Amino acid sequence: EAGVAQSPRYKIIEKRQSVAFWCNPISGHATLYWYQQILGQGPKLLIQFQNNGVVDDSQLPKDRFSAERLKGVDSTLKIQPAKLEDSAVYLCASSYPGGGLYGYTFGSGTRLTVV
Amino acid sequence: GIQVEQSPPDLILQEGANSTLRCNFSDSVNNLQWFHQNPWGQLINLFYIPSGTKQNGRLSATTVATERYSLLYISSSQTTDSGVYFCAVGRGRDDKIIFGKGTRLHILP
Repeated sequence: EAGVAQSPRYKIIEKRQSVAFWCNPISGHATLYWYQQILGQGPKLLIQFQNNGVVDDSQLPKDRFSAERLKGVDSTLKIQPAKLEDSAVYLCASSYPGGGLYGYTFGSGTRLTVV
Repeated sequence: GIQVEQSPPDLILQEGANSTLRCNFSDSVNNLQWFHQNPWGQLINLFYIPSGTKQNGRLSATTVATERYSLLYISSSQTTDSGVYFCAVGRGRDDKIIFGKGTRLHILP
């Protein structure tokens, strides 16, 4: 089966600019997650979707980050305006409901550099 | 929230050696997963193991839920085992998972 697709692979922007990342989960996976991984740290959950509804966005900096999952399939994560500390890899993952049993599948990530 | 601690933070071994990585967590969990992040950044799910023991080739894992720890064993290490190993836990099967800081493993040829 195809994996979790993410684009772009790399992005360099200046601070205060905006940026968007795209994720296409594995077909049939109802649950989608966006994680932020800062260099040297473990991934941190930003937002969790179940179909097209938000389950958990408690760690999402809502003043600058937004995410949507239209029609319960693809998802986009946006940052506006970007700050230097947003430099990180943004990972998308998906799972079946009860996904713990099957584990998560992660995409390759988007590496964002804010200069 | 749940705290996840992994040890050691770094490990350098010769090819062929065995290793044990540890994950301690601060609360009861119903979801525990081990991941390998390769040098290119790809996260691969190794085990879903909220309790018990599982084996997959040279890798095996054991979780003692009552004592809140999990161990990942790597036998006969190969250079391709290099990377960062993460433990991640969650309270519910469908709940978010919280990652530890990882153990960086470097296998020397």
